[in-house]
Amino acid sequence: RKEVEQDPGPFNVPEGATVAFNCTYSNSASQSFFWYRQDCRKEPKLLMSVYSSGNEDGRFTAQLNRASQYISLLIRDSKLSDSATYLCVVPRGNFGNEKLTFGTGTRLTIIP
Amino acid sequence: DAGITQSPRHKVTETGTPVTLRCHQTENHRYMYWYRQDPGHGLRLIHYSYGVKDTDKGEVSDGYSVSRSKTEDFLLTLESATSSQTSVYFCAISEPGLNTDTRYFGPGTRLTVL
Repeated sequence: RKEVEQDPGPFNVPEGATVAFNCTYSNSASQSFFWYRQDCRKEPKLLMSVYSSGNEDGRFTAQLNRASQYISLLIRDSKLSDSATYLCVVPRGNFGNEKLTFGTGTRLTIIP
Repeated sequence: DAGITQSPRHKVTETGTPVTLRCHQTENHRYMYWYRQDPGHGLRLIHYSYGVKDTDKGEVSDGYSVSRSKTEDFLLTLESATSSQTSVYFCAISEPGLNTDTRYFGPGTRLTVL
């Protein structure tokens, strides 16, 4: 299994719909997980951190399944402004390790 | 806004020339990183620094060197640029503590090596 693997996309989703992406990881010792958002030709920006079973922030929900070693990102009531590439990020070691593995990203386009 | 700037933002250079990219931060962050981003690859760590004059290699450090003589500046040097180093380079910072794994990125430098 790759260190981090994401749904490649692209996902083309109508405005207002719900969309979910998955990300699988291989390091069972990882304690924290991250979703970053990257707009075209811009830097990645932190969207959500996940330290336990999940996290919710408005329309965004991140869920962690340690047994199956995947995290998911759910976006409800999608907006045009949600169009971006979403990067899954997993630390290589235990909590506090400074080395991270970035996924290649899932591209999302919200269609009017 | 983590107060990170990168310079230059765009550069075109020729194979074999040395190139230095600069990352500047204004908030006294201890940890700084250089990543490159290429199609089909996730962001990959080149080098990182955990303090002035304290640096270490990342996963793709061959052909790159770094220096950090001041807290606010982290320089990345391509000693002799090659076409395989054409990429987008991002500088990032983090802070020790609970969110030590969180990265805040600069705007990036787009480098083309002809």
